[in-house]
Amino acid sequence: AQSVAQPEDQVNVAEGNPLTVKCTYSVSGNPYLFWYVQYPNRGLQFLLKYITGDNLVKGSYGFEAEFNKSQTSFHLKKPSALVSDSALYFCAVRAFLLAWSGGSYIPTFGRGTSLIVHP
Amino acid sequence: DADVTQTPRNRITKTGKRIMLECSQTKGHDRMYWYRQDPGLGLQLIYYSFDVKDINKGEISDGYSVSRQAQAKFSLSLESAIPNQTALYFCATSDPDGPGELFFGEGSRLTVL
Repeated sequence: AQSVAQPEDQVNVAEGNPLTVKCTYSVSGNPYLFWYVQYPNRGLQFLLKYITGDNLVKGSYGFEAEFNKSQTSFHLKKPSALVSDSALYFCAVRAFLLAWSGGSYIPTFGRGTSLIVHP
Repeated sequence: DADVTQTPRNRITKTGKRIMLECSQTKGHDRMYWYRQDPGLGLQLIYYSFDVKDINKGEISDGYSVSRQAQAKFSLSLESAIPNQTALYFCATSDPDGPGELFFGEGSRLTVL
């Protein structure tokens, strides 16, 4: 089965401290990995992606993520958290589902992690 | 204007009523998706469409139907709404030539009484 796991329902961090939101995945073949953020009463916004190349990818709002193939992980990080970073974060992986056209890749999402940054 | 627009943004209805959620996009993407979000469950795929003639069921399609009226429009219908369909629904698009990131609408919050 192809899946994404976000082991923490909630992460609490003090403003100014580094933050990590964890994600592990299981997928056949090479993964395409994504992070999205959802602010209250808003849709999901794309943060960053890993396709190939450098294992450390940089994205919007100062976030970065590290791809670790041996640990099948793609943790989201930020060196210094802001209160405004408080939101729901989703990890996603491209998974393969059969369609009439012969097959394609559909993103599969984790359950989300609520990040709370305290002043 | 938003690239992916969902209407209505909020809807309260009664059990047994037919409901349509509409999605339109100006991104020019062929691929469109409907997801459902429930607290603690993340996003679950209801239906997806790779072009006007290609519609596929996702992991939770029972009780739902869709219509792809044009490249830019993808509607989700609940033929006879039930309370456990109370959720936040998202439409999304993606570029088939890209790596696959999704572009989401702002969501449609549906409450079935």
